[in-house]
Amino acid sequence: GQNIDQPTEMTATEGAIVQINCTYQTSGFNGLFWYQQHAGEAPTFLSYNVLDGLEEKGRFSSFLSRSKGYSYLLLKELQMKDSASYLCAAQTGANNLFFGTGTRLTVIP
Amino acid sequence: ETGVTQTPRHLVMGMTNKKSLKCEQHLGHNAMYWYKQSAKKPLELMFVYSLEERVENNSVPSRFSPECPNSSHLFLHLHTLQPEDSALYLCASSPEGGSGTFHEQYFGPGTRLTVT
Repeated sequence: GQNIDQPTEMTATEGAIVQINCTYQTSGFNGLFWYQQHAGEAPTFLSYNVLDGLEEKGRFSSFLSRSKGYSYLLLKELQMKDSASYLCAAQTGANNLFFGTGTRLTVIP
Repeated sequence: ETGVTQTPRHLVMGMTNKKSLKCEQHLGHNAMYWYKQSAKKPLELMFVYSLEERVENNSVPSRFSPECPNSSHLFLHLHTLQPEDSALYLCASSPEGGSGTFHEQYFGPGTRLTVT
């Protein structure tokens, strides 16, 4: 079967660092996406990992370990506008993205 | 604005109604997608069109009927829906439905559907 696990909710303080973990078990795997979704808005692309290791993009970084079926999204210097849901998604085929339920992050002052 | 628009943004329909959701992308992409997002559930891929051909149909009930008349437009025709079909329906597009390569999907804002 297919399964993606990520925490349902997290809270962190403005200016801090937060790590959102994602574990996956899928039949077929091409890469791992992270999307951000603010309430009532469309998901927007944050990062994509296909090889093991860390990809850094400004305040956001994403890590992948294919052998462990594990990824994380690291957010640095948190801002209030980072309060959103963060969706982990495994690319399981040519056109197929299998999503987790998302992690709702609340940033507090 | 992601370049993908959806109409209507909100829809309330009875179980015997027939309605259609519309998606339009202005990005020159060749692949388009319908997703369903229910509360506390993951995004579920429903249909994929690549170059106007349907390439994925993930066991979706026949009361949902997609149509892709050209690479810029995608419709989801709805008929005799059930209350459990109430959800946010998201459309997305990507440059192409290529095999095993990275293609970021751009999402529209979604249609919030309520079936009464």
